[in-house]
Amino acid sequence: DFQMTQSPSSLSASVGDRITITCRASQNISASLNWYQQKPEKAPNLLIYLASILQSGVPSRFSGSGSGTDFTLTISSLQPEDFATYYCQHSWSFGQGTKLEIK
Amino acid sequence: EEQLVESGGGLVQPGGSLRLSCVASGFTLRNYWMHWVRQIPGKGLVWVGRLKSDGTDTAYADFVKGRFTISRDNAKNTVYLQINSLRNEDTAVYYCVRDGGEGTPFEIWGQGTLVTVSS
Repeated sequence: DFQMTQSPSSLSASVGDRITITCRASQNISASLNWYQQKPEKAPNLLIYLASILQSGVPSRFSGSGSGTDFTLTISSLQPEDFATYYCQHSWSFGQGTKLEIK
Repeated sequence: EEQLVESGGGLVQPGGSLRLSCVASGFTLRNYWMHWVRQIPGKGLVWVGRLKSDGTDTAYADFVKGRFTISRDNAKNTVYLQINSLRNEDTAVYYCVRDGGEGTPFEIWGQGTLVTVSS
């Protein structure tokens, strides 16, 4: 069965830090990978689609890269509002999520 | 503004049924694929099923096992999720989600509606 494996499952960081979250697909998915941010008690919000394209309105400190099976989400300089849970997604499969917490 | 608003969640006993509704505003539902995604409190996102823009082509996650049905009412610009034979493990927040078709991202999410299955 197709799977998305996301790591780490949790991450502690400070405001201003640069962080990277990784997502690995169990088979080649080209660039068909999306990233979402979810804050507590809220619906997920699309950040990046097709691996590297920033959704309208998303700050430029967010970036995505990768193709094939390995993908990354990078936040270049963490802001207080970025502490949330992040999910990767391909088709009908989601990664397990990465909870980003304040150190 | 393009928006999705779900309703219909609540407390239901095991074995019961529920119909969730998702009303779209700012766009016409029948032009898009619509999905349902659920999230057990404190856990990750799980895709439940989808309805293509043709209004008849559906697909479901394996765990649905014929208990869930997605349908649409074009006149009401509303998509539904009928859930039968509810189990404790169906307790979750259910989101309706819009995408633009195969290969496009889940671009608009509703606020979610909580279904609690308990005796």
